[in-house]
Amino acid sequence: GEDVEQSLFLSVREGDSSVINCTYTDSSSTYLYWYKQEPGAGLQLLTYIFSNMDMKQDQRLTVLLNKKDKHLSLRIADTQTGDSAIYFCAEKANSSASKIIFGSGTRLSIRP
Amino acid sequence: NAGVTQTPKFQVLKTGQSMTLQCAQDMNHEYMSWYRQDPGMGLRLIHYSVGAGITDQGEVPNGYNVSRSTTEDFPLRLLSAAPSQTSVYFCASRTSGRTGELFFGEGSRLTVL
Repeated sequence: GEDVEQSLFLSVREGDSSVINCTYTDSSSTYLYWYKQEPGAGLQLLTYIFSNMDMKQDQRLTVLLNKKDKHLSLRIADTQTGDSAIYFCAEKANSSASKIIFGSGTRLSIRP
Repeated sequence: NAGVTQTPKFQVLKTGQSMTLQCAQDMNHEYMSWYRQDPGMGLRLIHYSVGAGITDQGEVPNGYNVSRSTTEDFPLRLLSAAPSQTSVYFCASRTSGRTGELFFGEGSRLTVL
């Protein structure tokens, strides 16, 4: 079945890069996503990557996909206090095209 | 454009009571879904619908009912609330397009005593 795993916490210094990691089990996943949740709010899509891509860059965000290891990462360059949030990895599995399955979320905190 | 609207934002129930969480979207999305968010467990899919009249179970459907009589609305019903259903509930919708971007409501915080 589908399963998505992430570590629960990450703390980085302001100005450093943050790397949030995710592993998934369904090799038929078509799209993989990163969502951001700020306190008291719903989730918002940050970026996504199609399964036939290795990398996607969008301003300060870089997504890397290793299909062989089923590993996805999100790198945030020059991390700012406004990046404090919970980041969720999610997959849209081809085996069940309607469902999108989320990981547990990684809480990113920024140290001054 | 309101997007996805959930009501109520907060609710306290006693064990055994019933209630309905409302969800409405004005984006003409075919797909709608309900998730619950619990600490350390992320979002877990409760039920989803790919169009009016069609619903299906997600990962944690027990204790919840849904119906989809219109494209806009997807209510979630708790028939007999239990303390294990204390959680934050999110409704989300998307188009049937390939990328599948979900649009989320602001959440409904439910406490069952």
